Amino acid sequence: DQQVKQNSPSLSVQEGRISILNCDYTNSMFDYFLWYKKYPAEGPTFLISISSIKDKNEDGRFTVFLNKSAKHLSLHIVPSQPGDSAVYFCAASEMTPGSTSGSRLTFGEGTQLTVNP
Amino acid sequence: SQTIHQWPATLVQPVGSPLSLECTVEGTSNPNLYWYRQAAGRGLQLLFYSVGIGQISSEVPQNLSASRPQDRQFILSSKKLLLSDSGFYLCAWSLHEQFFGPGTRLTVL
Repeated sequence: DQQVKQNSPSLSVQEGRISILNCDYTNSMFDYFLWYKKYPAEGPTFLISISSIKDKNEDGRFTVFLNKSAKHLSLHIVPSQPGDSAVYFCAASEMTPGSTSGSRLTFGEGTQLTVNP
Repeated sequence: SQTIHQWPATLVQPVGSPLSLECTVEGTSNPNLYWYRQAAGRGLQLLFYSVGIGQISSEVPQNLSASRPQDRQFILSSKKLLLSDSGFYLCAWSLHEQFFGPGTRLTVL
């Protein structure tokens, strides 16, 4: 059962334009959502997150939108740069049982973003 | 600042051989620790997580096991590797966001 889905395996955009990466989830218990960026043969790097009590969070060129009723979130990158080319993972968290801090993450399959010069 | 280390970076092992991958975290106490695997062209699959020393939760049935002998040490093991164990293994620690190590590329021949 894939609880976090990224339906687009790849996305190609022109430099300077907006990149929109989408993610859907099914588990209504998820309370925190994150985006990670991953280059080949490296560990994922945390990009931006959003709590379930918010609908938007912005950090520089990156904005994450959350639509709880639709169980959908998206990552907007504007303007897109060639260095943004990577695989982007959406992740959702629920509190890890027995822990007072930290969360267990469920990842989507990832979307390969290619930004063309 | 916190750092996370994994070794080895790459490993080539024959089918049936044992495995031990190590992960250590510096600069934090009592973190949650995680092992993930990324198979070729696939997403990140959570294998194990640990909320404390000696506490291991397994997410999927598999040929692997995990141990946490110390607060900031997390070990992934196998007694006999299978071809299907090949992949990119990632360790992570968290307070809320998870921070990943550099990964280990395992190839089982």
